[in-house]
Amino acid sequence: AQKITQTQPGMFVQEKEAVTLDCTYDTSDPSYGLFWYKQPSSGEMIFLIYQGSYDQQNATEGRYSLNFQKARKSANLVISASQLGDSAMYFCAMSLPYNTDKLIFGTGTRLQVFP
Amino acid sequence: DTGVSQNPRHKITKRGQNVTFRCDPISEHNRLYWYRQTLGQGPEFLTYFQNEAQLEKSRLLSDRFSAERPKGSFSTLEIQRTEQGDSAMYLCASSLPTSSVEPHPNTGELFFGEGSRLTVL
Repeated sequence: AQKITQTQPGMFVQEKEAVTLDCTYDTSDPSYGLFWYKQPSSGEMIFLIYQGSYDQQNATEGRYSLNFQKARKSANLVISASQLGDSAMYFCAMSLPYNTDKLIFGTGTRLQVFP
Repeated sequence: DTGVSQNPRHKITKRGQNVTFRCDPISEHNRLYWYRQTLGQGPEFLTYFQNEAQLEKSRLLSDRFSAERPKGSFSTLEIQRTEQGDSAMYLCASSLPTSSVEPHPNTGELFFGEGSRLTVL
C-alpha cells in the first residue's frame, strides 16, 4: 500500500530564510507522482510543485524546489526566501499515474514564518 | 471564476439529519474526487468519478454516504443520518487524466475547491 510520512508537525522559519519540509513515501509501484500542496487558513489546497518518478532532475517552481532522492524515497520541499504569506499547512502527496490519479496525503506540516 | 466551486461552505446540523454538498468542477475536467479532512489530518480519499461513472469508493464511505455525478458535470455528496464523527471538511477536486502526450503533458494535478465544513451537533 502507498503511504506518505511527514514527521514535522510544525516548523518555524524567519522571513527571508530558507526552510526544508520533510516527506518520505512508500510504494512498490515504479511509476508515481509526488506533489506538494499548501493549505492556508481559508482551506483551499493550492498546488505548489510536482515530481514524476522518472524525472531526472529535481523540480523547481519559483521559490519552491523539490529535493527528490529516489533511493531514500524522500521528496522534501525547499522554500527559499520565506515570506510571511508562506505561513500555512503544507501537505506532501503521492499519486499513481495512469490509474485513478487519486492522491494519498501525509498528515502535513504547519509552517510559521516570523519577521 | 473558473475554479472548483463548493457549496455550502459551512453547514451546521443536528445529529440524525441528512446533509448534501454540491461540487462544480472546472468545466473541461472529466475526473472528480471527494476527500474528507478532519482537524490535524491530511485529506482522505472518499470517492472518484470519471465523467458520470463512479469508479472507486473508499472503505471510509459507509452506506450512509452517497455521491452522484449524474451528467458528468457537477457532483453531490449526501450524508444520511449524520453522526458527530462526520464533522469534517469535505473537499472536492477535479482533474484531467495524466498524460505524457506532447504538446500538452499533464501531471494529473488535482484542483481543489475551498471545501464544505460540516459540524454535527
